[in-house]
Amino acid sequence: KAGVTQTPRYLIKTRGQQVTLSCSPISGHRSVSWYQQTPGQGLQFLFEYFSETQRNKGNFPGRFSGRQFSNSRSEMNVSTLELGDSALYLCASSLAGTGEIYGYTFGSGTRLTVV
Amino acid sequence: SQKIEQNSEALNIQEGKTATLTCNYTNYSPAYLQWYRQDPGRGPVFLLLIRENEKEKRKERLKVTFDTTLKQSLFHITASQPADSATYLCALASPNSGYALNFGKGTSLLVTP
Repeated sequence: KAGVTQTPRYLIKTRGQQVTLSCSPISGHRSVSWYQQTPGQGLQFLFEYFSETQRNKGNFPGRFSGRQFSNSRSEMNVSTLELGDSALYLCASSLAGTGEIYGYTFGSGTRLTVV
Repeated sequence: SQKIEQNSEALNIQEGKTATLTCNYTNYSPAYLQWYRQDPGRGPVFLLLIRENEKEKRKERLKVTFDTTLKQSLFHITASQPADSATYLCALASPNSGYALNFGKGTSLLVTP
């Protein structure tokens, strides 16, 4: 079956611009999470959605936002981009519902470069 | 504050040997722990999950132990192969964090022929 699909794979933006990243989870997975990965900080949790509701949010400024659609596809948006937002943004989907915990399937990520 | 530590130094071993990677944590009471493999430029790949009430989990050449008293997990790859060369990440989650994973920074493993 198809894996987690993230688009675009690479993106170059200018400081102050905004960006929208897209994620299509594995069919049947209703939980979608987003992570930021940088060499210095490693993988850091941004937010998690389940059935169009944000269930958890990491310690990131309000410039980072997301949403999930009824087909479980998710988008994240970063407004007023800063140089420090340059990172690999990873989306992960899971069967996690309410109670049971499963492993996450990650996409290949979107490499965002802010110049 | 919560801290997850993995050996930042790369682990170099010879093909056929057992690789053992360590994940230590402090100020944390995880409900479960997961191990992932990540290759350069790719997303992490899920390997194993172990719950707080489980001591050990196995999958093919992989074995994970979870000691909540020592606050430590060990990840073993037996009969290692060059194809096992990658960065290995441990990730913890607690009831307080919901479904958010808290990742260590990973240990790079290099298996040489």
